[in-house]
Amino acid sequence: GQQVMQIPQYQHVQEGEDFTTYCNSSTTLSNIQWYKQRPGGHPVFLIQLVKSGEVKKQKRLTFQFGEAKKNSSLHITATQTTDVGTYFCAGLQRETSGSRLTFGEGTQLTVNP
Amino acid sequence: DAGVIQSPRHEVTEMGQEVTLRCKPISGHNSLFWYRQTMMRGLELLIYFNNNVPIDDSGMPEDRFSAKMPNASFSTLKIQPSEPRDSAVYFCASSLRGGVAYGYTFGSGTRLTVV
Repeated sequence: GQQVMQIPQYQHVQEGEDFTTYCNSSTTLSNIQWYKQRPGGHPVFLIQLVKSGEVKKQKRLTFQFGEAKKNSSLHITATQTTDVGTYFCAGLQRETSGSRLTFGEGTQLTVNP
Repeated sequence: DAGVIQSPRHEVTEMGQEVTLRCKPISGHNSLFWYRQTMMRGLELLIYFNNNVPIDDSGMPEDRFSAKMPNASFSTLKIQPSEPRDSAVYFCASSLRGGVAYGYTFGSGTRLTVV
């Protein structure tokens, strides 16, 4: 089945530093989604990427989808303490009867003030 | 919109007892998913429904787990009998159009502890 891998597993940064997490799939993805889970919370949808080579920005967050549609990255510029949480990528797998997400292991980000 | 509503938020039960987790998806969403989250295994898809019909239950650990969706506004996940290794956070999520474009909306989860 589809496997989605993320690195690093943990990242500790000082406030103001940049942060990047990488996501790789064993198969070509129709699209990829990113979620953020705050400590003690639930995953919250951030964005979806569909096109090969696509780049999307949300304020200090930049999301990229690889040309081969098998990898993706999330980059945060000048981290803030509010960025703390676990960031998950998830590959959307379409099937004849529906579709489902396969989540990566997540990257846990801590930001030291 | 109240979002995806799960109950209970916390459940502590003794090994061997039956546990029922409940979920109310967002009105109008036609897909519903049950995920389990643990430190060791991350977010695992247990089962998902499309238009109230179970599509794929290959993630259900074993026969002790069962899930139902009797109508578009309610789903249950039952564990009988429960075991300590079932301790985890169980999330229900719903989506519109299979999650394309709008992603999944997760509930707040049920933290299950089996002692």
